Amino acid sequence: QSALTQPPSASGSPGQSVTISCTGTSRDVGGFEYVSWYQQHPGKAPKLMIYEVTKRPSGVPDRFSGSKSGNTASLTVSGLQAEDEADYYCNSFAGSNNFVVFGGGTKVTVL
Amino acid sequence: EAQLVESGGDLVQPGGSLRLSCTASGFTFGSFAMSWVRQAPRKGLEWVSAISGSGASTYYADSVKGRFTISRDNPKNTVDLQMNSLRADDTAVYYCARDNGGYGSGTYFTWGQGTLVTVSS
Repeated sequence: QSALTQPPSASGSPGQSVTISCTGTSRDVGGFEYVSWYQQHPGKAPKLMIYEVTKRPSGVPDRFSGSKSGNTASLTVSGLQAEDEADYYCNSFAGSNNFVVFGGGTKVTVL
Repeated sequence: EAQLVESGGDLVQPGGSLRLSCTASGFTFGSFAMSWVRQAPRKGLEWVSAISGSGASTYYADSVKGRFTISRDNPKNTVDLQMNSLRADDTAVYYCARDNGGYGSGTYFTWGQGTLVTVSS
């Protein structure tokens, strides 16, 4: 099971936008509408921010949005705030053989 | 409110065994697939294993296949992970996570706080 590919880091100033990519294959990201994004602060459990590519759970600010094109999904954080500084992980359903695969994670820094 | 509480993490020698347990509350347990996800120190998240809501279907990452066994007891609202032939690279915080449906899709709305497994002599 190969991990999905994410950039190791991304950054932006307060108020700016940052976009994180998550690249897989037609057997995972490209083949299913089950891409999720998680935010993790140090020492804490992950928190679901986006699911089924574009949906936001209740309570997640609309500054967070998701999209997908082909085998690459993206998470955009608009209007960056200090509390958005965290690690972000994507994952995708990958069928009954591999089931779920995660990306390697992206550390977002608010400058 | 849905809650998950893991237990069972410990220090174990290479080649040893350990059983993790996750107790759920606040939702209809048998209606949701459950997964275990781990995170090695200073590393990313790695999906380990999943089980359907009924318990009829189980799935494993290649890295643990043949060594780990996932099971659930729906009347007791628990999901367990039996880990055998443990290796140093199994050292991680193990999270229990609730999927968004009975069959599973990797959509984890609810996570436990994690339990630490250390494999070392």
